[in-house]
Amino acid sequence: AQKVTQAQTEISVVEKEDVTLDCVYETRDTTYYLFWYKQPPSGELVFLIRRNSFDEQNEISGRYSWNFQKSTSSFNFTITASQVVDSAVYFCALSIDSNDYKLSFGAGTTVTVRA
Amino acid sequence: NAGVTQTPKFQVLKTGQSMTLQCAQDMNHEYMSWYRQDPGMGLRLIHYSVGAGITDQGEVPNGYNVSRSTTEDFPLRLLSAAPSQTSVYFCASSYEAREGYTFGSGTRLTVV
Repeated sequence: AQKVTQAQTEISVVEKEDVTLDCVYETRDTTYYLFWYKQPPSGELVFLIRRNSFDEQNEISGRYSWNFQKSTSSFNFTITASQVVDSAVYFCALSIDSNDYKLSFGAGTTVTVRA
Repeated sequence: NAGVTQTPKFQVLKTGQSMTLQCAQDMNHEYMSWYRQDPGMGLRLIHYSVGAGITDQGEVPNGYNVSRSTTEDFPLRLLSAAPSQTSVYFCASSYEAREGYTFGSGTRLTVV
């Protein structure tokens, strides 16, 4: 079985502040994949990043960065210099080899960026 | 290239009614899934399919049926709607599930 925990329900910041979203996962599989999705107020789910369990390199994409640490089973997401357009619900998800790669989602973190 | 198309976008049902949520993808994806999204619970898997003719239950399958007669279509049937099925439903598809899924725009269902 696998589980994803996003302990932060809501985060509110002022524009230009940095915000870090926590994601902790549980799985016994050695091969797994981690994802982050963004759900803006319009409701669609937008894929942000995928990381496999064998690649612990951190990744940066513009103002977004991800910190994957297998030692703590965490895959945290940081938005640098936040903007109002970053206001959304962010979901962390996990899929494992032994479960047909079905996605297991965390409960989501609502980020509100105030101007 | 339309991606994943869900219809309808909104629906109101009375308790006990049945209906089918439609999902179609034009990307020749083998993997398709249905999720429901409820406040504070993230997305939970209802049913999924790894190819035409193959379906299996997810985390919350009760009250729902699926079939996969073609690669393109994966309809979700509510047999007898209940207020507990009020939710937002997302269909998703993937060519290679480990690569992640593309999601449809969702169907907001209210059961009164």
